[in-house]
Amino acid sequence: EIQLQESGPGLVKPSQSLSLTCSVTGYTITSGYDWSWIRKFPGNKMEWMGYISNSGSTNYNPSLKIRISITRDTSKNQFFLQLNSVTTEDTATYYCARGYNWFAYWGQGTLVTVSS
Amino acid sequence: DIQMTQSPSFLSASVGDRVTINCKASQNINKYLDWYQQKHGEAPKLLIYNTNNLQTGIPSRFSGSGSGADYTLTISSLQPEDVATYFCLQHSSRPDTFGAGTKLELK
Repeated sequence: EIQLQESGPGLVKPSQSLSLTCSVTGYTITSGYDWSWIRKFPGNKMEWMGYISNSGSTNYNPSLKIRISITRDTSKNQFFLQLNSVTTEDTATYYCARGYNWFAYWGQGTLVTVSS
Repeated sequence: DIQMTQSPSFLSASVGDRVTINCKASQNINKYLDWYQQKHGEAPKLLIYNTNNLQTGIPSRFSGSGSGADYTLTISSLQPEDVATYFCLQHSSRPDTFGAGTKLELK
């Protein structure tokens, strides 16, 4: 069974960087598909942030392009999100998900609050 | 970016009712439209991909239709376990964009 699990700090200070890990079990991230980060803001608006492909290429939402980085550690079957210079507007539940187009597998999500 | 306008935002219906939720894109998205269900505290679940393809394991009371810029999710006979928030996602053009969601409750 394919499972994704997000982890990382639940509280980040403004202007700092947000770093999250998605640990994948039941499927090797280099075998196929794109591996995305998606976030859900308070009020339920959702935003696709970007992905890292099974080959290691990345594609980011232009709205985040100067602040976001998605990387991976294939030895641990994990991929990572780094979002720089966060503000309170980055407070959201962050999900990792697998898919080329539609997202058939999602993590449970992790709430990250940006606050001093 | 393609804007997705989802309606209604809130829906109250009775068990057994036929329920429809709509998404309208700001341009033709060529049927690249998916529907998700999210129950409180859970991960989103894919219901339908590419307008009308039912994901494995999803009950047949869920169906999708549409073309061009207009798409619909239909629940043919509402069940208590269908209480959730539903949202659409277009993947015709990057960045993928979501509808604002429809919260479905039992009357």
